[in-house]
Amino acid sequence: EAGVVQSPRYKIIEKKQPVAFWCNPISGHNTLYWYRQNLGQGPELLIRYENEEAVDDSQLPKDRFSAERLKGVDSTLKIQPAELGDSAVYLCASGLQQGNEQFFGPGTRLTVL
Amino acid sequence: QKEVEQDPGPLSVPEGAIVSLNCTYSNSAFQYFMWYRQYSRKGPELLMYTYSSGNKEDGRFTAQVDKSSKYISLFIRDSQPSDSATYLCAMTYVTGNQFYFGTGTSLTVIP
Repeated sequence: EAGVVQSPRYKIIEKKQPVAFWCNPISGHNTLYWYRQNLGQGPELLIRYENEEAVDDSQLPKDRFSAERLKGVDSTLKIQPAELGDSAVYLCASGLQQGNEQFFGPGTRLTVL
Repeated sequence: QKEVEQDPGPLSVPEGAIVSLNCTYSNSAFQYFMWYRQYSRKGPELLMYTYSSGNKEDGRFTAQVDKSSKYISLFIRDSQPSDSATYLCAMTYVTGNQFYFGTGTSLTVIP
């Protein structure tokens, strides 16, 4: 069974540029999560989807971050414009609805110069 | 106060040692407890998953939950250099879907 797929794996951009990350969850998983992980920290939730509905986006900085999951399968997270403090690893995870387990992708390491 | 507290280490042990990793938490409503292993430049990998109190064993790994003390542990027996990674604890409510993570403990097993 294929795991959670993320691309790109690495991205280096200059501040004020836009950037987008893509995630394809495990087949059949209704719930999709985007997390941000800073060095030496645990993952922090940005947004959670149940199918195509964003059910928890309270921690998403909406002035510059946006996300979509149009068909309830894959998802895109965008930052526009990027700031130096956005440098982090962006992790996508998926799980079953009302489930108690989640499975992570390899992450996208973003560096903003 | 953070929901989940975890000593970041780093922890360095000789090969073959028994390793004890711990987390404390403040919310008594947490019912599911997880340990993830994260290698450098990789995503977290689910290692152990426990419901409510008690022990769960899987090979060299034992997860222990003490809900009365709001304390969870992961024990690694006969530690190997391949166990060198960051270990994250996580927990969630019975309804699931909202996960709370510790900051991770960095472990190095020296051959």
